[in-house]
Amino acid sequence: GAGVSQTPSNKVTEKGKYVELRCDPISGHTALYWYRQSLGQGPEFLIYFQGTGAADDSGLPNDRFFAVRPEGSVSTLKIQRTERGDSAMYLCASSRGEQETQYFGPGTRLLVL
Amino acid sequence: DQQVKQNSPSLSVQEGRISILNCDYTNSMFDYFLWYKKYPAEGPTFLISISSIKDKNEDGRFTVFLNKSAKHLSLHIVPSQPGDSAVYFCAAGATGANSKLTFGKGITLSVRP
Repeated sequence: GAGVSQTPSNKVTEKGKYVELRCDPISGHTALYWYRQSLGQGPEFLIYFQGTGAADDSGLPNDRFFAVRPEGSVSTLKIQRTERGDSAMYLCASSRGEQETQYFGPGTRLLVL
Repeated sequence: DQQVKQNSPSLSVQEGRISILNCDYTNSMFDYFLWYKKYPAEGPTFLISISSIKDKNEDGRFTVFLNKSAKHLSLHIVPSQPGDSAVYFCAAGATGANSKLTFGKGITLSVRP
């Protein structure tokens, strides 16, 4: 079956602009996660959805970052007033349920100029 | 403070030999652990996991060992193959908390033909 997909694969934007990153989880997976990976680091947790609700958003760095999952499937990570420090690989993962194995998408590489 | 540490940034082994990748953790609440493999321009791919009720889990050429008293785990790959060349991430989670994973910085494995 299809794995986790993320679009776009690459996004270049200018400082101060707004961006949206999309994640399509594996069909039937109720849990969805966003992580951010900077160069030379491991993925860092941003936010976790169980169904439509954000069960844990403790990893979001500040209020410029927001994520939604309105129908319990596709999720969108939204970044307002982007800064150069937001440049990173943004990874999405899904799992069948809480604390089940997480399967990752290919990521969106964001570059803020 | 890094809660999951992969202290060696790289490892080079000869094809056919054993690769041993190490990981240490500091948070005693962690009770399940995973290894992911990552090729360039792809998302992390799940390899193998272990729960704290076990000290060993094996899947084909991959074996993970867990030493809870030392807060240490290792991934053994035998025999190593050139296709195993990738970045390997150790990740940890805590049951009963939320579902987020905490990752190490990764180790780059090179398997020489």
